[in-house]
Amino acid sequence: SQQGEEDPQALSIQEGENATMNCSYKTSINNLQWYRQNSGRGLVHLILIRSNEREKHSGRLRVTLDTSKKSSSLLITASRAADTASYFCATEGPGANSKLTFGKGITLSVRP
Amino acid sequence: DAGVIQSPRHEVTEMGQEVTLRCKPISGHDYLFWYRQTMMRGLELLIYFNNNVPIDDSGMPEDRFSAKMPNASFSTLKIQPSEPRDSAVYFCASTAGYEQYFGPGTRLTVT
Repeated sequence: SQQGEEDPQALSIQEGENATMNCSYKTSINNLQWYRQNSGRGLVHLILIRSNEREKHSGRLRVTLDTSKKSSSLLITASRAADTASYFCATEGPGANSKLTFGKGITLSVRP
Repeated sequence: DAGVIQSPRHEVTEMGQEVTLRCKPISGHDYLFWYRQTMMRGLELLIYFNNNVPIDDSGMPEDRFSAKMPNASFSTLKIQPSEPRDSAVYFCASTAGYEQYFGPGTRLTVT
């Protein structure tokens, strides 16, 4: 079964707007990661947040983690058409030996 | 580094045939993962290796699937015999820590 559940399943915004994507999970984690997948390509790692962290930034990306609610959010600011892709959250559980469990993904469309 | 290399990129085969997918991980990475991606089931972990040893194969759908990693720079995923429901994109990924690096995938179509 999927550990991460992303919300919404699809998101369409105008270029320049911010995009917020959410992920919920069920069990305790060591870390949570976000990946991007462009059409027809492999997944690319975006950002990792550890269980003892609450917020991280990387360029236009901001990720938050609330372990009490078992949820995370990914914010992409000032979106660009090139941000159009599917976004996945993935969780690594305690003792998981680098094994990740991925959600089903969010399809983001950024209209120019 | 060239990244994770997978071959072939596309494979079309008939039901009942044997299919072998290949993966070359990034040099120095000690973990290798095989995933399958479909619209219905999303991204599923099939099996993963650490230092060439299979650690968890609980995601392998059935005995028709097998995977090997004879050395640190090569792994295969074999399906024998193949069935139409095996049609999917198969990804290989490797890591030396937390971030996984994915290959471009092999799109398998079984007719």
